[in-house]
Amino acid sequence: DQQVKQNSPSLSVQEGRISILNCDYTNSMFDYFLWYKKYPAEGPTFLISISSIKDKNEDGRFTVFLNKSAKHLSLHIVPSQPGDSAVYFCAASEYYSGGGADGLTFGKGTHLIIQP
Amino acid sequence: ETGVTQSPTHLIKTRGQQVTLRCSSQSGHNTVSWYQQALGQGPQFIFQYYREEENGRGNFPPRFSGLQFPNYSSELNVNALELDDSALYLCASRTAGTTKEQFFGPGTRLTVL
Repeated sequence: DQQVKQNSPSLSVQEGRISILNCDYTNSMFDYFLWYKKYPAEGPTFLISISSIKDKNEDGRFTVFLNKSAKHLSLHIVPSQPGDSAVYFCAASEYYSGGGADGLTFGKGTHLIIQP
Repeated sequence: ETGVTQSPTHLIKTRGQQVTLRCSSQSGHNTVSWYQQALGQGPQFIFQYYREEENGRGNFPPRFSGLQFPNYSSELNVNALELDDSALYLCASRTAGTTKEQFFGPGTRLTVL
């Protein structure tokens, strides 16, 4: 059972326009959400995160929105640039009251292609 | 500031063999996690080490084991390799605390024949 879902395997966007990547989750215990970007032959690179107590976090061209009632988050990239072409992973972390491991649960990724 | 490094880059083993993968944490990070990424999938959490002890594990069998050393570097050991163990193995480090961002190394590509 996939707890984090990215339903779009790929997305093509024109350079300069907005890219919107979506992610849905099922586990109500997730309290922290992250987006990673991955180029081929490299490890995932952290982009932006959001705590469940917020509904929006912004960092430069990147904004993440969280809708807890819908168990949905999205990453907006404005304006999209050719270097943004990569695979984007949504990840979530679960709250553990007694400490302990907080391994991330990842979606399968969305391949974003920025067209010139 | 040195990022997370992993060795080797690529590795080919045969079924039934054992393998050890290595990871050096980013400077100042005391928590290390290992992930397995199969082709076309997102990374899957294997386990996490903090203060040289395993403090959590994902849905992986005991033949996946690890170590963390006093300098916070880490090893992933896999015994009795199976064909399905072929994957990219990623190491991630962070500082235990209020934030949960993990920083990944480039990975080790393991092929089991």
